[in-house]
Amino acid sequence: RKEVEQDPGPFNVPEGATVAFNCTYSNSASQSFFWYRQDCRKEPKLLMSVYSSGNEDGRFTAQLNRASQYISLLIRDSKLSDSATYLCAVNIRGSTLGRLYFGRGTQLTVWP
Amino acid sequence: NAGVTQTPKFQVLKTGQSMTLQCAQDMNHNSMYWYRQDPGMGLRLIYYSASEGTTDKGEVPNGYNVSRLNKREFSLRLESAAPSQTSVYFCASTGGLNYGYTFGSGTRLTVV
Repeated sequence: RKEVEQDPGPFNVPEGATVAFNCTYSNSASQSFFWYRQDCRKEPKLLMSVYSSGNEDGRFTAQLNRASQYISLLIRDSKLSDSATYLCAVNIRGSTLGRLYFGRGTQLTVWP
Repeated sequence: NAGVTQTPKFQVLKTGQSMTLQCAQDMNHNSMYWYRQDPGMGLRLIYYSASEGTTDKGEVPNGYNVSRLNKREFSLRLESAAPSQTSVYFCASTGGLNYGYTFGSGTRLTVV
């Protein structure tokens, strides 16, 4: 079983829509959680960390549910520029310090 | 600009040729990583280095070798390239558990 699982999508939504992605992780010792954004033919870039109490950055909200072992990313008022692949990443306590396990990514297309 | 620098950006090799992918970071990070990314497969860890002087195998190390030359530099070598090594290669580094990765811009390698 993979450490981190994501729905690959694709998600196709109109501008202004709200879209949510989930990512499940298998190891209850997971300690740090992140969402990355990857544009076509580019490197992944850190979008936001996910904190236990949930956190928001503008139109983006990240949440962690430790009991059910998943993290989520909510994008409100989608823009054309949000079109990208979104990767979740998890660090596992006891693994090599700092090593992240990545989901395969969820592809989002926002259309006009 | 601070970050992770990878060279070359593009490379075409013939089967059996060798090459070294270079990676350097100027963020004083201890941990560095090499990933490959293939369509539908997500990011797969090839090798990593938790600190200067140490290297360890990841999920897909066969056909690769690495050198952590110093704290800044972590190179990936293909001794005898095979078409199955056609991929996009990313180097990454991290300052620790809570910080996530910073990725280089990637190397697009084609083996013919």
